Amino acid sequence: QKEVEQDPGPLSVPEGAIVSLNCTYSNSAFQYFMWYRQYSRKGPELLMYTYSSGNKEDGRFTAQVDKSSKYISLFIRDSQPSDSATYLCAMTSGGQNFVFGPGTRLSVLP
Amino acid sequence: NAGVTQTPKFQVLKTGQSMTLQCAQDMNHNSMYWYRQDPGMGLRLIYYSASEGTTDKGEVPNGYNVSRLNKREFSLRLESAAPSQTSVYFCASMGGDRGLMSKLFFGSGTQLSVL
Repeated sequence: QKEVEQDPGPLSVPEGAIVSLNCTYSNSAFQYFMWYRQYSRKGPELLMYTYSSGNKEDGRFTAQVDKSSKYISLFIRDSQPSDSATYLCAMTSGGQNFVFGPGTRLSVLP
Repeated sequence: NAGVTQTPKFQVLKTGQSMTLQCAQDMNHNSMYWYRQDPGMGLRLIYYSASEGTTDKGEVPNGYNVSRLNKREFSLRLESAAPSQTSVYFCASMGGDRGLMSKLFFGSGTQLSVL
């Protein structure tokens, strides 16, 4: 079993839809959870950052962490074609070791 | 505001050739990283440097060497390239107080093909 699991997609949705992206993990030591967005032929860019369990909202994006279930989610409201990218979850216990999911490729169709 | 800068952006090598990937950051970060990204595998850590003068192996270090030249620069060297090293390579640096604000900032990547 991989340390971090993520549905690779691809996921296609119509413009305006609510998108739900998810990751599960096995290491209970993880405390910091991140979502990165990666456009084609670009480096990952930090989108959302949360510590421990709970929700965090930033504009159309909401990150959710459920440590009891070892499950994190990213919700995108009113999705736009510009949201089309690969979304990577990442997590760390606070040291140098960041563990990434394989990424979910999202296409938002106009 | 350059952030993390990598060179070159693209490179084609023949098996057995050597090359060095360069990385520099201007955010005064202590920690720097080299990752490779392969389809379906996600980002895998090759080497990292927690501070100037120190380097440590990551998940997939075989076939690579690194040098932390100074606080800004962290280079990755392939001594004898193999087709299995065909990948996209990303350099990153970590900002924030360790344990409280651990955030990775990435460069734009190097697409490497080994024939």
